[in-house]
Amino acid sequence: DVHLTQSPSTLSASVGDRVTITCRASRSIAHWLAWYQQKPGKPPKLLISETSTLETGVPSRFRGSGSGTEFTLTISSLQSDDSATYYCQQYLAYAGDTFGQGTKLEIK
Amino acid sequence: EVQLVQSGAEVKKPDASLKISCKASGYNFNKYWIGWVRQRPGRGLEWMGIIYPDDSDTKYNPSFQDRVIISVDKSISSAYLQWNTVQPSDTATYYCARPFGEGTLDAFDLWGQGTVVTVSS
Repeated sequence: DVHLTQSPSTLSASVGDRVTITCRASRSIAHWLAWYQQKPGKPPKLLISETSTLETGVPSRFRGSGSGTEFTLTISSLQSDDSATYYCQQYLAYAGDTFGQGTKLEIK
Repeated sequence: EVQLVQSGAEVKKPDASLKISCKASGYNFNKYWIGWVRQRPGRGLEWMGIIYPDDSDTKYNPSFQDRVIISVDKSISSAYLQWNTVQPSDTATYYCARPFGEGTLDAFDLWGQGTVVTVSS
């Protein structure tokens, strides 16, 4: 099974800041990584698939990168609406835990 | 409209049985995998399992395999998650979700609204 470790667990930043969330896989998952945004009381929303493919309608300030075992989600200019919890997910193998533990992003 | 609509909130006593549903519309239900994700209060997302309606091929997270059963009814485009006996530790919101690619195990681009399950004596 592939285990994902996200860091940091919580993050506090100001509007306009650039923030980066990291997701590390216990073994190579090539480019089979997705990022989700979840707001309280709502289902997750797919932001990025295949490491770097932005879903339709997702603002271009979101960017995904990486390969193999290390991946990042970068928000280039933080907006107040970006306050949420972000999860990475590997989909190389649906065999065990597929999600990272989440990163809660708070706006100062 | 392409959507997944889940059944309503449930309140159960320990050791009761439970079956929740997820009804798909707007796409070919048989040809897309459909999965279930648990989220305990204040906690992260946990993938439970996934089923391919066309042939009922099912993959489970080993952490859930002995606790739940995932099934479908193709005639009404619905997927189900069931427990023979629920425990307080099953208290959570359960989401059904569909990968974005037909016939492929991709990331989930379509989600149900969630079913809140509360288990308490």
